[in-house]
Amino acid sequence: QVTLKESGPALVKPTQTLTLTCTFSGFSLSTSGMRVSWIRQPPEKALEWLARIDWDDNKVYRTSLNTRLTVSKDTSKNQVVLTMTNMDHVDSATYYCARISPGISGWPDYFDYWGQGTLVTVSS
Amino acid sequence: SYVLTQPPSVSVAPGKTARITCGGNNFGSKSVHWYQQKPGQAPVVVIYYDSDRPSGIPERFSGSNSGNTATLAISRVEAGDEADYFCQVWDRHSDHCVFGTGTKVTVL
Repeated sequence: QVTLKESGPALVKPTQTLTLTCTFSGFSLSTSGMRVSWIRQPPEKALEWLARIDWDDNKVYRTSLNTRLTVSKDTSKNQVVLTMTNMDHVDSATYYCARISPGISGWPDYFDYWGQGTLVTVSS
Repeated sequence: SYVLTQPPSVSVAPGKTARITCGGNNFGSKSVHWYQQKPGQAPVVVIYYDSDRPSGIPERFSGSNSGNTATLAISRVEAGDEADYFCQVWDRHSDHCVFGTGTKVTVL
């Protein structure tokens, strides 16, 4: 059974760095083909993909946030960590981690399991 | 950057068919996936690879992809289908995931 759960601060101040942890079970990120992404959703708005980390430590970031994001993994702890620097009010959102289905194409395709999400508010 | 356009809202009477479109360029080369998101919950995939349905998703949910438009159809709509629906593709050129703008389905 695959599960993912996000954890981190509910409130951060402007200019601070946000650190979120995704703790998962039911799969290993050291297994070939496994990938995990971070996605966020401002209140009442659309989903926005942020970053991806692969089993081989390949990392991909949303172009517009490239300079602010860092994603890493700890396979021994079954965790993926996202850091986002210089937080602003517009970064207030629910942040999700999700597993990308290993699929049949060998390429990342769709998200088959999601965490419950964690709401982050940026306010002084 | 790649953009996926959805109608903001679709209203449908119970028992009828709701159709949600997702428009993008060169869809023919991309697989489209659909998610249902109910208030306060994480998204759930309801259609993947254009028309495949995960186990546990009712047969009332179907998908198609032709030309520059993908469509999610929900037949015999029920009150429980009221939710936001998002389409999604992975742009292999940029290696970026792109979500649609989202459609709120209201059951009348």
